[in-house]
Amino acid sequence: GQNIDQPTEMTATEGAIVQINCTYQTSGFNGLFWYQQHAGEAPTFLSYNVLDGLEEKGRFSSFLSRSKGYSYLLLKELQMKDSASYLCAGLDSNYQLIWGAGTKLIIKP
Amino acid sequence: IAGITQAPTSQILAAGRRMTLRCTQDMRHNAMYWYRQDLGLGLRLIHYSNTAGTTGKGEVPDGYSVSRANTDDFPLTLASAVPSQTSVYFCASSDSINNEQFFGPGTRLTVL
Repeated sequence: GQNIDQPTEMTATEGAIVQINCTYQTSGFNGLFWYQQHAGEAPTFLSYNVLDGLEEKGRFSSFLSRSKGYSYLLLKELQMKDSASYLCAGLDSNYQLIWGAGTKLIIKP
Repeated sequence: IAGITQAPTSQILAAGRRMTLRCTQDMRHNAMYWYRQDLGLGLRLIHYSNTAGTTGKGEVPDGYSVSRANTDDFPLTLASAVPSQTSVYFCASSDSINNEQFFGPGTRLTVL
């Protein structure tokens, strides 16, 4: 079966660094997406990895290891506005996204 | 309009009623999707369309139908609503099947 696992909730302090992990099992693999979703709003795209390694985009970085079925999203210099849910999604062999339930990130002052 | 819009924003519906959720995008994206999002679960794909004139079933298609008569519009119809269809529905589009998806603001549907 297809499955995306990520922690349900994490707490971090403003100004700190947090890493949100995601493991995936998909039928075939065509890439791994991270989206951000603020409460009551639509998801918005953060990153896409299809090759192994780290992709850096400002304060956010995303890492992929295809051999381990593993990805993480790294958020640096946390700001209160980063409080949101972070959704991991794998693109399967049919080019359909398989979504995790999301990690709710709580930022404390 | 710019981007992707959905209507209505929210709706309370009696069980057994027919309902169409509307979705329109002006980005000329080929692919469009309908998801439902329920608390504690990931987004689940209901139906999709890779290009105008074609549609396909996602993970949870039962009780829903779609059409794609043109590039811009992708309505989702509940033929006879049931309480288990209470959810937040998101429409999304992408310019190709392996690119980022852009989401509409969502429709919050309650079936009583």
